[in-house]
Amino acid sequence: QKEVEQNSGPLSVPEGAIASLNCTYSDRGSQSFFWYRQYSGKSPELIMFIYSNGDKEDGRFTAQLNKASQYVSLLIRDSQPSDSATYLCAGGGGADGLTFGKGTHLIIQP
Amino acid sequence: EAQVTQNPRYLITVTGKKLTVTCSQNMNHEYMSWYRQDPGLGLRQIYYSMNVEVTDKGDVPEGYKVSRKEKRNFPLILESPSPNQTSLYFCASTILPSWTGTWTNSPLHFGNGTRLTVT
Repeated sequence: QKEVEQNSGPLSVPEGAIASLNCTYSDRGSQSFFWYRQYSGKSPELIMFIYSNGDKEDGRFTAQLNKASQYVSLLIRDSQPSDSATYLCAGGGGADGLTFGKGTHLIIQP
Repeated sequence: EAQVTQNPRYLITVTGKKLTVTCSQNMNHEYMSWYRQDPGLGLRQIYYSMNVEVTDKGDVPEGYKVSRKEKRNFPLILESPSPNQTSLYFCASTILPSWTGTWTNSPLHFGNGTRLTVT
């Protein structure tokens, strides 16, 4: 059974600070990892994906992958109130598609 | 505009009355999938399809059917809906996972969702 674990939160971060979101995964065969942002009642939207060990940066977002520790993280710099949402971590290892974590609820306090 | 289109957005029905939720994508994606999302349980895959006439069960397939007669369409069928199928449903599509010694999955593109209530 493939599992992706996330702390459900809520994670409260002051505006302008760095938000750090984490997830762990059970399937060592997973090679592709994705972070989605989801506003209440809306569909998930892709923030970043990462395939290789290390860091990947895109604007205010940095994804980090450590395959040895089976750990994925997302850093959001200069957090804005509009970043308040649920963040879903997903891992993929083949034909049966992505396994999603239950999401971390992030609140950015003005 | 590249998109995944689901219909209807909202649906209220009664136990046992057959329904179909449609899903269509215009990106020529081979891979399509249905998820349901419930509070505290996250997104769970119902069925997926690798191509026309190729479908397979996900994690929670009981009570659902799908078909893939055309590449762009992947309808979700509830033959006899029950209240425990009340949920938020998402259709998604992407290109096929690739194999180069290890699998690489591409990001999923999601539809806008269908909120289903079965009374």
